[in-house]
Amino acid sequence: KNQVEQSPQSLIILEGKNCTLQCNYTVSPFSNLRWYKQDTGRGPVSLTIMTFSENTKSNGRYTATLDADTKQSSLHITASQLSDSASYICVVSGGHNAGNMLTFGGGTRLMVKP
Amino acid sequence: EAGVAQSPRYKIIEKRQSVAFWCNPISGHATLYWYQQILGQGPKLLIQFQNNGVVDDSQLPKDRFSAERLKGVDSTLKIQPAKLEDSAVYLCASSFRTERSTDTQYFGPGTRLTVL
Repeated sequence: KNQVEQSPQSLIILEGKNCTLQCNYTVSPFSNLRWYKQDTGRGPVSLTIMTFSENTKSNGRYTATLDADTKQSSLHITASQLSDSASYICVVSGGHNAGNMLTFGGGTRLMVKP
Repeated sequence: EAGVAQSPRYKIIEKRQSVAFWCNPISGHATLYWYQQILGQGPKLLIQFQNNGVVDDSQLPKDRFSAERLKGVDSTLKIQPAKLEDSAVYLCASSFRTERSTDTQYFGPGTRLTVL
C-alpha cells in the first residue's frame, strides 16, 4: 500500500532557529516528491519538487533533500521566521500508474514563536 | 494573475441537508481537482476533471457526492445528504496540463464545511 508518513506531527521553535521536517514513503514505483506549505485557512502552495535523480533542492531558506534508496525526504528551514508558521505537506507521485497517483502525507504543523 | 477562487469560504449545515461548493480555476487551466481535507490530515483527491470530462473519480463517494464542470471552466461539488463525517475543508486546485505528477497544482483557499 502506498503511504507517506511525516514527522513530527507538530513542532514549536523560536524565531531564528533552524528545523528539519521528515517524510518517509513507501510509494513504488517512484516518480517525484513535492513539499507544500499550507498557511492556516489557505490552500497548499508548492515549495519544491524533486525527481529520482535529485537529492537536494533549495528555495530560499527552504532546502529539501531526497534519498530515493531509503525512501526518505527532509525539509530544512533555516533562520525561521514567524511567517514560516504553517503546515508542511509531503506529496509523493508514483504507484501502479507512475504518472498518475499522488499520495499525501498528513503534514507537520510548525509554529514559530517570537 | 488571478488565483483559484472558491465560494463560499465557510458553510455550516445540519446533517441530511444538501450543500454545494463552487470553484473558478485559473484561466486557461485544463485540469481541475477537488480534494477533501479533514482537520489534521493531508488532502484526499475526490475527483479530477480534464476540461469537462472526468479523469478520475475513484475516491468520490458517489452515493452522496457529485461534481460537474459543464463548460470546462467553473466546477461545482455537491453533497446530498450531508453526514457528520463530511465536516472538512474542500479544496479546489487547477493545473495547466493533465500530468498529475509533474504539473504544478494551484490551490484555492478552500471551503470549510461544518456538519452539525
